[in-house]
Amino acid sequence: GQQVMQIPQYQHVQEGEDFTTYCNSSTTLSNIQWYKQRPGGHPVFLIQLVKSGEVKKQKRLTFQFGEAKKNSSLHITATQTTDVGTYFCAGRSNQGGKLIFGQGTELSVKP
Amino acid sequence: NAGVTQTPKFQVLKTGQSMTLQCAQDMNHEYMSWYRQDPGMGLRLIHYSVGAGITDQGEVPNGYNVSRSTTEDFPLRLLSAAPSQTSVYFCASSYQYSSYEQYFGPGTRLTVT
Repeated sequence: GQQVMQIPQYQHVQEGEDFTTYCNSSTTLSNIQWYKQRPGGHPVFLIQLVKSGEVKKQKRLTFQFGEAKKNSSLHITATQTTDVGTYFCAGRSNQGGKLIFGQGTELSVKP
Repeated sequence: NAGVTQTPKFQVLKTGQSMTLQCAQDMNHEYMSWYRQDPGMGLRLIHYSVGAGITDQGEVPNGYNVSRSTTEDFPLRLLSAAPSQTSVYFCASSYQYSSYEQYFGPGTRLTVT
């Protein structure tokens, strides 16, 4: 069945350093979504990518969708302590089906 | 709007007991789903519904039942709780199918002893 793998599982950075998490699917995706979950909270939607090669930015966050629509990345420039949390990607196969989440990347930021 | 609400927030069950986790949304969303979150496993889809009267299985449906008699409510039933079902459970909803932004509830932390 469809699988979505996300790496790394954990990332510890110094405040001001950059951070990237990668998402890879075993099947071609119709779209990919990204969510952020603060410690003790619930996942909150960040963005959705739909087009092959799409790049979207939200302030210091840059999201990319691969040309083959099987991988995606989230890059944070100059991390801040407010970026702490777990970042999840979630993809839906282009053959229909369910939205499948990756395992998440837990980001910690040292001041 | 209250968004997506879940009750209870915490629950402790003994092995073999049954219970229902409640989920409700007031956004008139067609799509609702249940996830469980375990350390290192991410969010795994249990069951989902694309509209009232329609439900389907997700990645890990065994041991759980759902029904969708109204657009607003999507309860999750544990028929005979097992320690392996100790987890945090999240309900989510979106406008239509899963290609839309999902709104998550605050979660229910369940412990089965």
